[in-house]
Amino acid sequence: DAGVTQSPTHLIKTRGQQVTLRCSPKSGHDTVSWYQQALGQGPQFIFQYYEEEERQRGNFPDRFSGHQFPNYSSELNVNALLLGDSALYLCASSLGTGLNEKLFFGSGTQLSVL
Amino acid sequence: GENVEQHPSTLSVQEGDSAVIKCTYSDSASNYFPWYKQELGKRPQLIIDIRSNVGEKKDQRIAVTLNKTAKHFSLHITETQPEDSAVYFCAASIAGNTPLVFGKGTRLSVIA
Repeated sequence: DAGVTQSPTHLIKTRGQQVTLRCSPKSGHDTVSWYQQALGQGPQFIFQYYEEEERQRGNFPDRFSGHQFPNYSSELNVNALLLGDSALYLCASSLGTGLNEKLFFGSGTQLSVL
Repeated sequence: GENVEQHPSTLSVQEGDSAVIKCTYSDSASNYFPWYKQELGKRPQLIIDIRSNVGEKKDQRIAVTLNKTAKHFSLHITETQPEDSAVYFCAASIAGNTPLVFGKGTRLSVIA
């Protein structure tokens, strides 16, 4: 049974560029949440997608956007990259009825902005 | 909004000893408290969670206690082993309503 898969595992971008990160949820899960984890910090909630719609959003600017596809996979897009966007981006999946419970995380995408 | 404080930031114990990590939360409406373990370079993994309708939950060597009045909860690991070495995160939320808010983590080192 495949868990949550994220791609790419590492990414290097320069300031001002745009980036797209991808996530496939654990089999049987239909909800995808995205978290940003800065070095030495706990994960911080970006947003959550369910039924192809953004259901909840954390305190992140509009430069962060996302999408969920009919097969429940998801993308995170970040525009106009800043140095401070450098972080590990984690995707977590769950069942729709458990908005924040039993989250199953992927291994993340390490984004470095130079 | 919710704020979660976690202590200590680092913890070293001898193999076989117990380890305790403590978290406090600010929102009295929070009722779901999970703990995640993140080994170096790996994904966070849920190790145990507790809801506000119980005061304690155990799973083998791991236990979590919750004090709703004081708004704090703790992770207890007994008979620690080297493979327990990792960063542990606590989190809090209103189940089914708000996203998880994580603490900053505790780096546990178990010395053989």
